[in-house]
Amino acid sequence: RKEVEQDPGPFNVPEGATVAFNCTYSNSASQSFFWYRQDCRKEPKLLMSVYSSGNEDGRFTAQLNRASQYISLLIRDSKLSDSATYLCVVFFPGNSGYSTLTFGKGTMLLVSP
Amino acid sequence: DTGVSQDPRHKITKRGQNVTFRCDPISEHNRLYWYRQTLGQGPEFLTYFQNEAQLEKSRLLSDRFSAERPKGSFSTLEIQRTEQGDSAMYLCASSLVRVNTEAFFGQGTRLTVV
Repeated sequence: RKEVEQDPGPFNVPEGATVAFNCTYSNSASQSFFWYRQDCRKEPKLLMSVYSSGNEDGRFTAQLNRASQYISLLIRDSKLSDSATYLCVVFFPGNSGYSTLTFGKGTMLLVSP
Repeated sequence: DTGVSQDPRHKITKRGQNVTFRCDPISEHNRLYWYRQTLGQGPEFLTYFQNEAQLEKSRLLSDRFSAERPKGSFSTLEIQRTEQGDSAMYLCASSLVRVNTEAFFGQGTRLTVV
C-alpha cells in the first residue's frame, strides 16, 4: 500500500462546478497534513493546512478524518485559474523515526469555460 | 528575493558524468529537504537535514547520490555516474522546525541525462 494515495485524475469540470479530491494515508502516527497546488512546470506551493476540526479558506474546504486516515479537499465555484495539480501531503515518520513530508501522486484538475 | 533558490535551473549532462546542485534555503529555516519529481508523479522524498545533520535518507537513494549541508545553511546534492533514469526535476524545500509548518519550495533544477 502506498503511503499517500490520491484519486487518479484528471478531473475535467466546467467553471462554477464543485469538485472534491480524496486522499488516504497509511501511517496512523502522521501528525500534520497539507494540500499543495502545483502549476505545470512550477514548484509546489501550499494551498492550505488541514486541521482535525476541518478548515475553510474562501472557496476551499479541507477535512481530516484520523480514524479513517482520510483527507479531503473541496473546491466550490471552480475558476479557470484553479486548473492545476493538487497534491496531498502528510508529515510521516521516516526510516530513522524523523518525520518528513510525503507527497501523493497528485490529482490534476482542468476547469473549462 | 528571500525565497528558496536553486542553482542551476537546468542541467544537461552526458551519461556517466557527475553533477552537483545547490540549494539556498530561507535564511531562518533549519529544515531542508531534497525531492525528485518526474512527469506525472508527485515529489519523491530523497533526504532531509535539520541544521547540518542529515537525519533521513530515502531507501531509494542509491550510493551514487550524496547530499551535504556543511554549515547548516546551503545544501548540495551530488549525483555521480549519472544514468538516464536520473533525468528529473530536483526540488529543494525548507521549513522551520515546528509542527504544522509549511515547507517552501525552490523552483527546482531540471536534469537531463543524454
